[in-house]
Amino acid sequence: QVQLVQSGAEVKPPGSSVKVSCKASGAPLSDFGISWVRQAPGQGLEWMGGIIPVVDSTKYGQKFQDRVTISADELTNTVYMGLRSLRSDDTALYYCVKGESNWFDSWGQGTLVTVSS
Amino acid sequence: EIVMTQSPATMSVSPGETATLSCRASQSVSNNLAWYQQKPGQPPRLLIYDTSTRATGIPDRFSGSGSGTEFTLTINSLQSEDFAVYYCHQYNNWPTFGQGTKVEIK
Repeated sequence: QVQLVQSGAEVKPPGSSVKVSCKASGAPLSDFGISWVRQAPGQGLEWMGGIIPVVDSTKYGQKFQDRVTISADELTNTVYMGLRSLRSDDTALYYCVKGESNWFDSWGQGTLVTVSS
Repeated sequence: EIVMTQSPATMSVSPGETATLSCRASQSVSNNLAWYQQKPGQPPRLLIYDTSTRATGIPDRFSGSGSGTEFTLTINSLQSEDFAVYYCHQYNNWPTFGQGTKVEIK
């Protein structure tokens, strides 16, 4: 069973950037893909993008493709999600999830990113 | 983008009864459909994938059906721990989620 542990909460001013990490244990990153899904307060789920580290392939949702970068470090079994030009409506819980082009069977605990001046 | 529409938004059900949740896709997603359960303060948990396959450890009172654009999650004999929000998710194309159905105690 893959476990995903994310970095801690962040508070960022509008216009800045944030980078959230997701460390996998239980299997090497080369065995699976990772996606990022966010959930605004009281709202539903929104897929942002994903990566398959073994082939270094990424894809991003159209809404985010100009502002998000997903990368992976197979040596540390860690995936990163960077989001730039932050706005107040980017305030959300950000989850890393196991899976890229299929179902999401393991979820990180979530990282709260608050965008506020 | 494939739009997923869940109905109803909220349903009130008594313990022991059956809940039937619907999810409609704006275009065919074949059988590439999953369901998740989310409780307050927790990440979602995978219940069903490939329309009807239960994930590891999911009790058999949860079942999924459908194909193409119409899908159903059925929860038989609702237990207290089943009251939560349920999301459908298509992965046939760029992943998208429904807006959720809240199952509350009647």
